[in-house]
Amino acid sequence: EVQLVESGGGLVQPGGSLRLSCAASGFTFSTYWMSWVRQAPGKGLEWLANIKQDGSEQYYMDSVKGRFTISRDNARNSLFLQMNSLRAEDTAVYFCARDHVGGGYRGIIGYWGQGALVTVSS
Amino acid sequence: DIQMTQSPSTLSASVGDRVTITCRASQSISRWLAWYQQKPGKAPNLLIYDASSLESGVPSRFSGSGSGTEFTLTISSLQPDDFATYYCHQYNTYSQTFGQGTKVEIK
Repeated sequence: EVQLVESGGGLVQPGGSLRLSCAASGFTFSTYWMSWVRQAPGKGLEWLANIKQDGSEQYYMDSVKGRFTISRDNARNSLFLQMNSLRAEDTAVYFCARDHVGGGYRGIIGYWGQGALVTVSS
Repeated sequence: DIQMTQSPSTLSASVGDRVTITCRASQSISRWLAWYQQKPGKAPNLLIYDASSLESGVPSRFSGSGSGTEFTLTISSLQPDDFATYYCHQYNTYSQTFGQGTKVEIK
């Protein structure tokens, strides 16, 4: 069974940093593109970033470029999101997500974690 | 970035109704579009991909159509379990975007 479990969320002050982790199981992690998607309270889904199977390519939404970094550790079946210079508008539930199928890029999100809440507030 | 615009934002309907949601892309995305259903407090669930392919296990009352810049999600006969928020999602480029969502409410 595919499982994606996020951790590392919490309360952080504006300007601070936080690192989210996603532990993957139930599939061959190293063969899938992975993504982060967020959802602010009461708002819609917002795609943030994705990363190729070997970590050699990453793509970002414009508003987080230079502040957020997606990375992965295939040996530990883990996905990460390093978030710096956090703002109040970054307050959201952050979902780890897996491509629908392995191999080449497809972009369809087939599996989601349950999300980790990040609150940016003083 | 490609912008995705869904309409309507909210839809009130009754059980048994035929429901159609539209999603428009700011530029052509071929058929690289998916639809997701999300219920409160839950992660989204994939319904349709490649504009019209039904995900395994999704009831056949859900269907998708379109290509280029205009797409639709249709629920042929609305069931009680279908009251939720629906999102379109383009993956034509590595930088992806979602529509703003359509909430389907009980009339």
